[in-house]
Amino acid sequence: AQTVTQSQPEMSVQEAETVTLSCTYDTSENNYYLFWYKQPPSRQMILVIRQEAYKQQNATENRFSVNFQKAAKSFSLKISDSQLGDTAMYFCASGGSQGNLIFGKGTKLSVKP
Amino acid sequence: DSGVTQTPKHLITATGQRVTLRCSPRSGDLSVYWYQQSLDQGLQFLIQYYNGEERAKGNILERFSAQQFPDLHSELNLSSLELGDSALYFCASSVEGGGRTYGYTFGSGTRLTVV
Repeated sequence: AQTVTQSQPEMSVQEAETVTLSCTYDTSENNYYLFWYKQPPSRQMILVIRQEAYKQQNATENRFSVNFQKAAKSFSLKISDSQLGDTAMYFCASGGSQGNLIFGKGTKLSVKP
Repeated sequence: DSGVTQTPKHLITATGQRVTLRCSPRSGDLSVYWYQQSLDQGLQFLIQYYNGEERAKGNILERFSAQQFPDLHSELNLSSLELGDSALYFCASSVEGGGRTYGYTFGSGTRLTVV
């Protein structure tokens, strides 16, 4: 079965610093997509960034970027210049063979002033 | 507003009861997905519908059922409720076949509390 593992249940970072959240996944697919979602205290799930596995270039969205290591099946999220509003649960997800997304258990990120 | 509407936002009910959660997908999206998020847990995939037909099934209990109607809204029915069913239930939608490619648009969830 496809799995997504986030090994850091909780992390904290000082405002304006950089933090990296880890994610590993397991898939037998050749063409797949990876995602990071953010869930702030409002509970709304928000898409942060998306990576196409066949693209070697790492995806970036403003202060958010990924380090995609296909051979190692690793997909980490880097948040630069952390802001208080980045405080949230972050979920890594991969596209499942059934067409759905498979999520990790999440990393709770706290940004401290 | 994400465009995916879930009602109700909160629901408190007793054990043994039955509830219905409702979801209207974003305009133009044909696929609807239901997920359960329990305390300190990730999102568990329950079921997917595409244009009225069941497309994929995850860890959905036999006490739970769902359907998607011709107007594309979907309902998740939970029966014989137990305390352990207390969770946040998300509905998400995507373009045709696009969930695993483009990701989902999520609703704001229904918080179910079983007492």
